[in-house]
Amino acid sequence: SQKIEQNSEALNIQEGKTATLTCNYTNYSPAYLQWYRQDPGRGPVFLLLIRENEKEKRKERLKVTFDTTLKQSLFHITASQPADSATYLCALNSGAGSYQLTFGKGTKLSVIP
Amino acid sequence: NAGVTQTPKFQVLKTGQSMTLQCAQDMNHEYMSWYRQDPGMGLRLIHYSVGAGITDQGEVPNGYNVSRSTTEDFPLRLLSAAPSQTSVYFCASSYSPTNSPLHFGNGTRLTVT
Repeated sequence: SQKIEQNSEALNIQEGKTATLTCNYTNYSPAYLQWYRQDPGRGPVFLLLIRENEKEKRKERLKVTFDTTLKQSLFHITASQPADSATYLCALNSGAGSYQLTFGKGTKLSVIP
Repeated sequence: NAGVTQTPKFQVLKTGQSMTLQCAQDMNHEYMSWYRQDPGMGLRLIHYSVGAGITDQGEVPNGYNVSRSTTEDFPLRLLSAAPSQTSVYFCASSYSPTNSPLHFGNGTRLTVT
C-alpha cells in the first residue's frame, strides 16, 4: 500500500542549530514533492516545491533535497529560530498526471531558545 | 487579496443534520480541493475539482458532496452529518492541478454531536 512517513511526530532543537526533517514514501512515483508549514489553528502554508529531476532546492534558510532512489526528501532549516516552531508537512502527488496531493502526518518542530 | 475564504469558522451539528461548508477564492485558480484533518491522521483529501463543472473523489469522499458551478466557489455539503465527520475542514486552491503550490483557507472546525 502507499505510505508517506515523516520521521518523527516531534523534534526539539536548540536555537541556532540546523533542523533536519525527513519524509519517506513507499509505492509512489511522485513527479514532485512539496513542504508546508502549519501553525496551530491555521491552514498549511506552502514553503517549497521540488521536482523529480531536481536534487536540491533552496529558499533563504530552507533547503529541500529529493532522492527518488531512496524515496526520501530531507527538509533543512539552518540557523533555526523560535519563530520556526510549527508543524511541517510533506506532500506528494501520486505520479505524473495525478491531481491528488497526499500529505504526511507532519513533524512538530520546537526550537528552544 | 483575500486568498481562500472559508465560512463558517466553527459549526456544531446534531447527527442527521445537513449543512454546507463554503469556500471561495479570488485568485482565479482552476484547481480547488477539500481536505479534512484529524489528530493522528493528517490531512486527507475528500473531493477536488480541476475546473468549473468538473469534480472528482479523493481518498475519503463518502458522506460528502461537492459541485463547482463557478471558478471561485467550491462548497462542500454534508447531507446527513455523523459523529465520524467531526473534524477540521480545509479548502485549498492552486493555479494548476499539478506542479503548483496549494493555497489553504484557515479551516472550519465542525463538531457533530
